[in-house]
Order: sequence, then C-alpha cells, then structure tokens
Amino acid sequence: EPEVTQTPSHQVTQMGQEVILRCVPISNHLYFYWYRQILGQKVEFLVSFYNNEISEKSEIFDDQFSVERPDGSNFTLKIRSTKLEDSAMYFCASRSEGGGPYEQFFGPGTRLTVL
Amino acid sequence: QKEVEQNSGPLSVPEGAIASLNCTYSDRVSQSFFWYRQYSGKSPELIMSIYSNGDKEDGRFTAQLNKASQYVSLLIRDSQPSDSATYLCAGAFSGNTPLVFGKGTRLSVIA
Repeated sequence: EPEVTQTPSHQVTQMGQEVILRCVPISNHLYFYWYRQILGQKVEFLVSFYNNEISEKSEIFDDQFSVERPDGSNFTLKIRSTKLEDSAMYFCASRSEGGGPYEQFFGPGTRLTVL
Repeated sequence: QKEVEQNSGPLSVPEGAIASLNCTYSDRVSQSFFWYRQYSGKSPELIMSIYSNGDKEDGRFTAQLNKASQYVSLLIRDSQPSDSATYLCAGAFSGNTPLVFGKGTRLSVIA
C-alpha cells in the first residue's frame, strides 16, 4: 500500500542552525501539507502546497520557514534559524486531487530536537 | 476561529466493551470530519472519514455526524487492548483547507 515517507526520523540541531526535513508524498497525490505536534499538544497545521505553490499557511509559518518541491517526488520543509520552541514532531501529509475524498495520509514524522 | 474540542480522557473500557469517543466543533459551515488513531510517539493513522449526517460503519468502527448539533463521535465495538491509543478528531472546514485537530482522547482498553 502506498505511503508517505519522511527523513530523517530524528534530527538534533543547535539553536540558530538550519534544518531541512524531507518528505516523499504518495505518488499520485497532489496536495501536500506540513503539520507539527509539540510534545503533549495538538497537531497544528503549518502549510499546504498545491500546483507548485503555497495554498495556505498558518501563523506559525513565518519567514523562518519555507517549503519546496525540488523534483517530482520530494517535498521539503526548511527552517532557516531554529529556535528551542521549534522542537516538535513534524508530519508531512498528502491527499489526492479532486472534490473528494479529503482524506489526508500522514508520514511517520521527523522528531526535531533543538538544543 | 474554527475549533475542534475533545475530552482528553483517559477513557478506560474493559476488553470487549464499546468505547465511545466524542468531538464537538465550532463552525457550522463544515465539510468533513476524520478520526485518526495515534500511538505514543507515532504519526496519526486515518481510521474513518465522514462527510454526511448519520452513521458510517467500517468493521468495528462507527462514525456518527450530526451537523445540526456540531457533534461527531466514534464508536469502537469489541474493544481490544491494541485499540489503546489517543484518538484524534479532525475537521476540514472547506474542501481544500487544512485539518483542524482536537487535542485527542486517550483510550485505554483493559484486558
């Protein structure tokens, strides 16, 4: 069964460093999303991406964040200068095009630890 | 502000019983709702989606949606210890918008 994959599974970085989190969405899906979940808190939306551009972003997704689809399979989230509060699980999700269903499928996540 | 609210639990049920998980949402203009299961340290796994008022059944799971009352529920029949997890309710408030998640309800099925 097709699935969303993410790398790395765990990333440890120093505050102020740049990180790139990578995702390979399900192959025939066209909508892509990044969510994050701080330990013990709810899953929060960061950004959605369709047709090679951002379609929606949350207040969390400030100038420190960017997304890119560098090729036909990868979808990346970059954090330019990490802060302690960026420590969280980051999930990539994808869904197929069309009027429905709107089901989003999540990857296994990347645990980001900022020291 | 679109919100999804869940009782955080924990909800404890004996093995074989029916577990009932509830969720309310704040916006009357809503499209679709989803139940995800999340094991500790893992990603959300889609269990059920529901778009229309009424019940939708899939195996041991039944999702119920009442748009007039802004209420979504998930029933798990014949609960198993492997069902012990946090169950996340999420709403998509229009076609392509992102999911809004509740905090989740922790379910514990006691053998």
